[in-house]
Amino acid sequence: KNEVEQSPQNLTAQEGEFITINCSYSVGISALHWLQQHPGGGIVSLFMLSSGKKKHGRLIATINIQEKHSSLHITASHPRDSAVYICAVSNTGNQFYFGTGTSLTVIP
Amino acid sequence: DAGVTQSPTHLIKTRGQQVTLRCSPKSGHDTVSWYQQALGQGPQFIFQYYEEEERQRGNFPDRFSGHQFPNYSSELNVNALLLGDSALYLCASRKGWHRGAAKNIQYFGAGTRLSVL
Repeated sequence: KNEVEQSPQNLTAQEGEFITINCSYSVGISALHWLQQHPGGGIVSLFMLSSGKKKHGRLIATINIQEKHSSLHITASHPRDSAVYICAVSNTGNQFYFGTGTSLTVIP
Repeated sequence: DAGVTQSPTHLIKTRGQQVTLRCSPKSGHDTVSWYQQALGQGPQFIFQYYEEEERQRGNFPDRFSGHQFPNYSSELNVNALLLGDSALYLCASRKGWHRGAAKNIQYFGAGTRLSVL
């Protein structure tokens, strides 16, 4: 079983829809990261959080430490949001564990 | 300020060959990690370098080795390539290796796509 589980694996949405991607983890963590990977491979860090909630533009990330669960929300989705979203956790030993990613396609 | 840069971007090798991938960390960063990402999978941790020493290692065979130079840049070497080594290899850098450094944001390079034929 992976240390980090994401759902759904694939997601197709109409432009303008509200999107939620979920992440559950089973290890002790120092921080949780949401990453965005576009075709071609490059990864961009969207959020790093260890408690509560963070917001950046149309993106919102929340984490519940007790439940070992995080969600990434995208409001008013747009075709340019199409990418793979990866949840990762880092522990105090400086090691990262990655989910397998959620492939999001936003249709105009 | 250039972020994490990797070279080459694409590489084709045949089974049994050896390959060297290169990574320059983001300015100010001293810790470099390497990841292997197979198609449709999340990245898998290979190893991490700090102060020119391998500090942590994931579940990869000894065919995978690395090096960090005094300027913090790093190389990943893979010997005796197998078809299953075909993947995107990602380098990431962060400032610090100490206990609290896990809270420092890790920046990723665009990756090197290795195809083994």
